[in-house]
Amino acid sequence: SAVISQKPSRDICQRGTSLTIQCQVDSQVTMMFWYRQQPGQSLTLIATANQGSEATYESGFVIDKFPISRPNLTFSTLTVSNMSPEDSSIYLCSVEGVRERGPDTQYFGPGTRLTVL
Amino acid sequence: KQEVTQIPAALSVPEGENLVLNCSFTDSAIYNLQWFRQDPGKGLTSLLLIQSSQREQTSGRLNASLDKSSGRSTLYIAASQPGDSATYLCAVKETSGSRLTFGEGTQLTVNP
Repeated sequence: SAVISQKPSRDICQRGTSLTIQCQVDSQVTMMFWYRQQPGQSLTLIATANQGSEATYESGFVIDKFPISRPNLTFSTLTVSNMSPEDSSIYLCSVEGVRERGPDTQYFGPGTRLTVL
Repeated sequence: KQEVTQIPAALSVPEGENLVLNCSFTDSAIYNLQWFRQDPGKGLTSLLLIQSSQREQTSGRLNASLDKSSGRSTLYIAASQPGDSATYLCAVKETSGSRLTFGEGTQLTVNP
């Protein structure tokens, strides 16, 4: 499978601040996604990160709150802005289109565990 | 809107048992279905992917089946081991390159 790393692995932040999460893949991929997993719940897609253009956001998620960058085929960032305790979640990066591993399988990073006080 | 349901929500079995996890989805027009494993506080590990044209996939002690017309998939785990303890998630994709819609997961505990 693709090797996907996320930084930071975890963080504790104060209300009103912002955190940027990085996702790095060891090979070029077609698609990159950002998911959120709130405590005790399953995964919800935040947005699809598009290379060189604005991300495509799912219903209920907006660019001002979750700005996303994808400058190339192996790297993306997700910023959680103006955080509140409700943003406490695990944030996961996933990729699809790993050339040697089959185009349709999605692989996930280890996640970033965010706690907002 | 696609909805994915997994039953049971939790399962506890003794080591060595064969077991079946169930996944159902409301819209049968799917592109593929993927089973994942998630250990506590960790990311997801892909276990098996079944394309819509396939009936089943096998990897080691794991076998996943797909009945698209009835909107169901099962994950069969043979000779369960304590190391199999984790949450198992089912996810469907409706078109190529689109998002995955996840079920709530089945939390499996295999007791030694």
